[in-house]
Amino acid sequence: NAGVTQTPKFRILKIGQSMTLQCTQDMNHNYMYWYRQDPGMGLKLIYYSVGAGITDKGEVPNGYNVSRSTTEDFPLRLELAAPSQTSVYFCASTSGRPQHFGDGTRLSIL
Amino acid sequence: KNEVEQSPQNLTAQEGEFITINCSYSVGISALHWLQQHPGGGIVSLFMLSSGKKKHGRLIATINIQEKHSSLHITASHPRDSAVYICAVISGNQFYFGTGTSLTVIP
Repeated sequence: NAGVTQTPKFRILKIGQSMTLQCTQDMNHNYMYWYRQDPGMGLKLIYYSVGAGITDKGEVPNGYNVSRSTTEDFPLRLELAAPSQTSVYFCASTSGRPQHFGDGTRLSIL
Repeated sequence: KNEVEQSPQNLTAQEGEFITINCSYSVGISALHWLQQHPGGGIVSLFMLSSGKKKHGRLIATINIQEKHSSLHITASHPRDSAVYICAVISGNQFYFGTGTSLTVIP
């Protein structure tokens, strides 16, 4: 099993550009999450999904959008990249037991 | 104000020492997670608990719901335990994370 796969691992964007961070899990988990981790700060929840077709905002959703058209995929979209979105992004999934995390996407906005 | 507070922020121990990391939270929770983040950045879930105590190998996690407090213990610490340990709580459909405890175990 691959578990939770995030792509890309690294990306540099210019201010105002858009991009999609991909997250795929092969464990048939209903729950999926996007977090960001800023240096010296704890993880913060951006968006989450409790199943295909259902998404909801977390603690810091501004500047991001998500969709959940399938159980496996939970992409995170940045429409107008801003320097404040420079962070490491983690995707996670669970079936209600401990979460499985992806390896993270390190995103820099310059 | 952080919903989850961890202590200490940094901890250095000699190999073999018994280690305790503490987590206090201020919200009502349905469960609490202990996570381990390796120096390379990968995150692994160690425990999810909502009451009592869980043990896995040299790791023990306890929670006191009334006192809103959890502890993570590492017995016979080893350099490979060096990592950041993160406490997270589930409150409703929200997750709140502590800023982590950076542990370094010296041989």
